[in-house]
Amino acid sequence: DAGVTQSPTHLIKTRGQQVTLRCSPISGHKSVSWYQQVLGQGPQFIFQYYEKEERGRGNFPDRFSARQFPNYSSELNVNALLLGDSALYLCASSLTPSGANVLTFGAGSRLTVL
Amino acid sequence: DQQVKQNSPSLSVQEGRISILNCDYTNSMFDYFLWYKKYPAEGPTFLISISSIKDKNEDGRFTVFLNKSAKHLSLHIVPSQPGDSAVYFCAASVRTGANNLFFGTGTRLTVIP
Repeated sequence: DAGVTQSPTHLIKTRGQQVTLRCSPISGHKSVSWYQQVLGQGPQFIFQYYEKEERGRGNFPDRFSARQFPNYSSELNVNALLLGDSALYLCASSLTPSGANVLTFGAGSRLTVL
Repeated sequence: DQQVKQNSPSLSVQEGRISILNCDYTNSMFDYFLWYKKYPAEGPTFLISISSIKDKNEDGRFTVFLNKSAKHLSLHIVPSQPGDSAVYFCAASVRTGANNLFFGTGTRLTVIP
């Protein structure tokens, strides 16, 4: 079975541009979460979606948005990119949005903002 | 405000010896704790978890201990193997809430052959 897949794996953008990152969860998993990992730090929660509804949002500005599609895949959008948005963006999936469920992570999309 | 802290950025251990990785948390609402392992160019991989109703959970070479009064948990790896060399993240959540995890900053473990 395929794990959590993310695309693209690497991308370079310039300040002010917009970026869209994509995630396909494990088959059968209906909950998708997004995390940002800045170099030297642990992953930080951005969003959680379940059944196409936003279930949780971390402390990120409105430039960050996401959505989930009927097939449970998800996109993360970041507008007006800043240098500080350079990070590894991780997608994770789980069966349900419950705190008792283990998250399975993808390998991430590494974004560099110049 | 960092609610989960790993104060040791790195740890080196000889192969065959015990590795002990430590983690502290500040939020008393956390009741579910996990350890993830991360290799370069890969996403974090779940290793072991523990609920706050327990003080110990064991899975093969890996054991997690939880001290709720001290808000402290530790991961023991015995015996350590070179393949265990990775960055280990401690994470916490609220079981009855959404499964957004709060991660520590990680400890890089190097097991020396």
